[in-house]
Amino acid sequence: EVQLVESGGGLVKPGGSLRLSCAASGFTFSSYSMNWVRQAPGKGLEWVSSISSSRYIYYADSVKGRFTISRDNAKNSLYLQMNSLRAEDTAVYYCARGAESAPGIFDYWGQGSLVTVSS
Amino acid sequence: QLVLTQSPSASASLGASVQLTCTLSSGHSTYAIAWHQQQPEKGPRYLMKLNSDGSHSKGDGIPDRFSGSSSGAERYLTISSLQSEDEADYYCQTWDTGIQVFGGGTKLTVL
Repeated sequence: EVQLVESGGGLVKPGGSLRLSCAASGFTFSSYSMNWVRQAPGKGLEWVSSISSSRYIYYADSVKGRFTISRDNAKNSLYLQMNSLRAEDTAVYYCARGAESAPGIFDYWGQGSLVTVSS
Repeated sequence: QLVLTQSPSASASLGASVQLTCTLSSGHSTYAIAWHQQQPEKGPRYLMKLNSDGSHSKGDGIPDRFSGSSSGAERYLTISSLQSEDEADYYCQTWDTGIQVFGGGTKLTVL
């Protein structure tokens, strides 16, 4: 069974940093692209960043230069390092797997980790 | 610019059918999309990939009540025999090199 479990969320002050983790199981992690998607309170889904199986990396303009996505295939884990956090980064952050046949499709999602940026 | 447009809300009665629409922006009518369901207080769930020719492949465990179809730049999600647990937000999603795009979501109310 595919499982994605996010952790590392919490309350942080504006300008601060936080690192999210996503622990994956139930599939060959190294073979799949992985993604971060966020959802601000009461709002829709917003793509944040993607990393391919061969480590091509992409970011949304809203986080470029502040967030860094990475993966550790030996630990079956995905990470999101978030620096220079702003109030508008407050959201639930979801880890999502890219489908094997179509990496642009998110075929499994985690339950999310809440990040609150507030003084 | 790659944009997906969805109506903010829809409603239908228990046991009835409903069709939700996702419209691709001009110049992107051949793009495939994905449909995702988000029940209240839960993470999203992948429903299906829907191609421009209407062919679709569903995610694991998705009931036959969920189906997809396409016409031009429109992508449809049809839910038949509506159940109370179908009350949720539904998002369409597409992609291009280096970018992922979500529609604004449709909130489905089951009456």
